[in-house]
Parts: sequence; structure tokens; C-alpha cells
Amino acid sequence: QVTLKESGPALVKPTQTLTLTCTFSGFSLSTFGMRVSWLRQPPGKAPEWLGRIDWDGDRFYSTSLKTRLFISKDTSKNQVFLKMTNMDPVDTATYFCARLPPGTGYFDHWGQGALVTVSS
Amino acid sequence: DIQMTQSPPSVSASVGDRVTITCRASQDINSQLAWYQQIPGKAPKLLIYAASSLASGAPSRFSGSGSGTDFTLIISNLQPEDFATYYCQQTDSFPFTFGQGTNLDIK
Repeated sequence: QVTLKESGPALVKPTQTLTLTCTFSGFSLSTFGMRVSWLRQPPGKAPEWLGRIDWDGDRFYSTSLKTRLFISKDTSKNQVFLKMTNMDPVDTATYFCARLPPGTGYFDHWGQGALVTVSS
Repeated sequence: DIQMTQSPPSVSASVGDRVTITCRASQDINSQLAWYQQIPGKAPKLLIYAASSLASGAPSRFSGSGSGTDFTLIISNLQPEDFATYYCQQTDSFPFTFGQGTNLDIK
């Protein structure tokens, strides 16, 4: 059974760095072709893809946010991390991690999401 | 980036109805389209991938069609648990982009 779960702070101040952890089970990020993405969804809006990390360590980021994002992984602990710098109130959203099966572009399993509010 | 446009933004229907939601891509994406269902407070759930393939666990009353730039999600015999927001997502090229959503509510 595949599961993913996000964890991290619910509240961050403007200009701070957000760090979120995605802990997953039921698959391995060392499996050829496996990938994990981060997405976010502001209240009442559509999901927005932020970036992904691949089984081989390759990383890809949203063009508009790439200067603020860093995604890393700890394969032995089945964890993927998201760092987002210089947080702003417009970054208030529910942040999700999701699995991309090998060779596909769709997200077949999602975490429950973590609501992050940016406010002083 | 590929732009995805869904219509209608919202639709009202009754249990037992058939509902059609459309999604248009700003360029040809072949059959590289997924549909998701999202219940408030929950994560999106994959319903359809590759435009017409039913995801594991998705009920057979959901069906998808289309290729190129125009796609359709049909929900037959609406059930109470189907009232939710539906999103399309192109899976053809990075960045993978979503439509703005269609809210399906009870008439």
C-alpha cells in the first residue's frame, strides 16, 4: 500500500525559509524511473506543480519558482524534502507531495497535504 | 507553459444524472491527459490517465475521451459521493499544468 505524508510548520513568517518533509511507504525512490513531486494549492485554486526529484537524484523545478526551491531526498529513510526560501503571504497554500509512476506524468498517489500559512 | 482551460467552471446536477466536463489544451498534447477528483479538505484523487484509462479503484461510471487539444470527462449515473471539484492535468510536457477546476454541486 502506497502512502505519503507531509510534515512541517503550519505557520511561517514572511522572508523565512519553509522546510517540509514527505515521508512515504509502499515504494522505493531507488526504483528505476520512480519520482516524487511537490505541488501546492492556494485556498480555492487549482494545484500548482512546484518540482520533482527522480530516483537518480535529478531535480526539476517550476520555472517561476526555481530560484527559491530546493528538493532533496534521503532514500534510506524514504523521505523527500522541500525547501522554499523567502516566503511571502501569497505562498499560503496546502502543500502536497505526490508520486509519479515511472514513465508517466500523472500523480497516482498523494499525501494528505500540509496547510502552510505565511503571516507575521 | 501549456495552458489548460476547463468548462464549465461549475455545474449543478442531481443524483442519477449524466455530467460532461471539458478540458482544452493550448497546444497538442496527444492523449497525455489526466483527470482528478477533489473533495474539500482532501488531496486530489486520480480518476483517469492517458485521456481514457480508468485509474485503479476509480468507479466505472467515470470515463474519459479525447486527444490532441480537446478532452472530455463524463460521469454517468451521478452518485452522492461524486459531488466534488474536478481537475484536468496535461502530462505531456513540463511543467505539468492543471485546469482551473470544475465544481460539481447538487441541484
